[in-house]
Amino acid sequence: ETGVTQTPRHLVMGMTNKKSLKCEQHLGHNAMYWYKQSAKKPLELMFVYNFKEQTENNSVPSRFSPECPNSSHLFLHLHTLQPEDSALYLCASSPGTGGEYTEAFFGQGTRLTVV
Amino acid sequence: GQNIDQPTEMTATEGAIVQINCTYQTSGFNGLFWYQQHAGEAPTFLSYNVLDGLEEKGRFSSFLSRSKGYSYLLLKELQMKDSASYLCAVSDSNYQLIWGAGTKLIIKP
Repeated sequence: ETGVTQTPRHLVMGMTNKKSLKCEQHLGHNAMYWYKQSAKKPLELMFVYNFKEQTENNSVPSRFSPECPNSSHLFLHLHTLQPEDSALYLCASSPGTGGEYTEAFFGQGTRLTVV
Repeated sequence: GQNIDQPTEMTATEGAIVQINCTYQTSGFNGLFWYQQHAGEAPTFLSYNVLDGLEEKGRFSSFLSRSKGYSYLLLKELQMKDSASYLCAVSDSNYQLIWGAGTKLIIKP
């Protein structure tokens, strides 16, 4: 089993739908991240959780709502999205968030299409 | 602002050598990462440089010059499976990763 698992791999949703993305890590890491990857653009950090506490929210619209019930699981709740929100959403984890070299391990992502 | 620049796309021939450059302007520096991402897959870690110089790891090497804000990833003896996007990322003063848009590498037989 891979270290970081994301479900679903693909999602098509209407602008009025509500859906959730799930991420699970089996690496014993303390930090988890949501990234947005749009075509030909840098990875955009959305949210950071460290020891289940949100430590970063990079001005993400409220239609994206993260949830971290424990250090192994991370959710991204979606509602009333816009077509420009269509992208690859990547989850990552790392041992910690600062003070040392922190390599991030990524899940395979959820390809989201908003119609 | 903070910025990472790398070429959008490069083409190379199987068996050859290719160098992918990355320049950065960031608030602080706590290391530079290279990741590989095959289409439809997760980015995977390749290398980490925090001191100037060359780090070699098999067919892949990564170089860093902090004074120039410059790094490169060198891939030798290219194989078709090396076709992927290569992402450069810098850890800034807050240990937050600042990412480049990635370089798509196309390998031709």
